[in-house]
Amino acid sequence: NAGVTQTPKFRVLKTGQSMTLLCAQDMNHEYMYWYRQDPGMGLRLIHYSVGEGTTAKGEVPDGYNVSRLKKQNFLLGLESAAPSQTSVYFCASSYGQYNSPLHFGNGTRLTVT
Amino acid sequence: DAKTTQPPSMDCAEGRAANLPCNHSTISGNEYVYWYRQIHSQGPQYIIHGLKNNETNEMASLIITEDRKSSTLILPHATLRDTAVYYCIVDRAAGNKLTFGGGTRVLVKP
Repeated sequence: NAGVTQTPKFRVLKTGQSMTLLCAQDMNHEYMYWYRQDPGMGLRLIHYSVGEGTTAKGEVPDGYNVSRLKKQNFLLGLESAAPSQTSVYFCASSYGQYNSPLHFGNGTRLTVT
Repeated sequence: DAKTTQPPSMDCAEGRAANLPCNHSTISGNEYVYWYRQIHSQGPQYIIHGLKNNETNEMASLIITEDRKSSTLILPHATLRDTAVYYCIVDRAAGNKLTFGGGTRVLVKP
């Protein structure tokens, strides 16, 4: 039981390049989330999904797209990376909507030059 | 959405209990209080949560006041590995989209 796995762990992009971050969970959770964390700050929600085939915007969705084609996977895409997207990205999942703790991955450190 | 207020930092002696306060005076009736912690460079780790009753698990205890406007996380015997940022979060009524604020940076000293 690996929990929540994020790939890659590190990535460096040039401005304008695109990439996809992958999040996989093996706990059969319905809900999945993408957060970003900037230095010295808390986490901010980018997008989330309440089930396979669904996605919704969080607090800071601009510049990102997501897909949830399979229940166990949640993809975060950057179509045209910008230096402002340099951050640590965390994926999380939870079983339900209420009374259901989040389980986090260990993050992807992204640098955009 | 209810917001939380936590002290920015606190120190604790190894082996002693650490009491972390959190104020959530605008909490609504169906919102839970969650505690997470984040050890440097790692993903946040769930600690404990509760609605109105006090809760205890193998990691910590959660004390929620009767009016639910504040709570305290208790780490009974702090170790050096408990050094982390601790986040107190109130679950949004619209769903489990937790908002992480600044948290309390806890330093456990030998």
